[in-house]
Amino acid sequence: GNSVTQMEGPVTLSEEAFLTINCTYTATGYPSLFWYVQYPGEGLQLLLKATKADDKGSNKGFEATYRKETTSFHLEKGSVQVSDSAVYFCALSGTSGSRLTFGEGTQLTVNP
Amino acid sequence: DTGVSQDPRHKITKRGQNVTFRCDPISEHNRLYWYRQTLGQGPEFLTYFQNEAQLEKSRLLSDRFSAERPKGSFSTLEIQRTEQGDSAMYLCASSPPAGRLTDTQYFGPGTRLTVL
Repeated sequence: GNSVTQMEGPVTLSEEAFLTINCTYTATGYPSLFWYVQYPGEGLQLLLKATKADDKGSNKGFEATYRKETTSFHLEKGSVQVSDSAVYFCALSGTSGSRLTFGEGTQLTVNP
Repeated sequence: DTGVSQDPRHKITKRGQNVTFRCDPISEHNRLYWYRQTLGQGPEFLTYFQNEAQLEKSRLLSDRFSAERPKGSFSTLEIQRTEQGDSAMYLCASSPPAGRLTDTQYFGPGTRLTVL
């Protein structure tokens, strides 16, 4: 079945540091890949997505590239802010309209 | 769009009681999903509707759980004879009609259930 593995957290960085959160997946076929962010006490918000190999999703300074050869979708940001502190989830959808399979999440804390 | 809404936001109940949650999807989204999220974990899929038809159910959805979407708009999730292990955040999501470029699911704020 489908599965998503995220780097074990939590991650603590200083403001303006470079961020990488690793995500690898196992799936049959050609899944769509997503990063969602969850702020304290809130639901999940879509951060970015990619629907085919070599696509790059980007939003709010965050980027992730769909790498089929390494089955990865790592999240990066060049300069994090305190307001980026949240839990980040990598997820995949096996086919259009199907369930999302999530990783366990990575807690990011950015200190001033 | 007003976004996906869920009611109530918080529910505290005693073990053995029944609870019901409501989800209102984004208008014109014909697909609706329920997930459960326990502390420190990613959401786990429970069930999926396309219009009023329940197309998929996870094995996590025991016979104490039932979900409906009677007119293809809002949905309810009922848990009968609640157990302490049911304590979790219950998330609802919706997405537009099928199409490769429109498989994004939009989540509501969730209902946090605490079973005492």
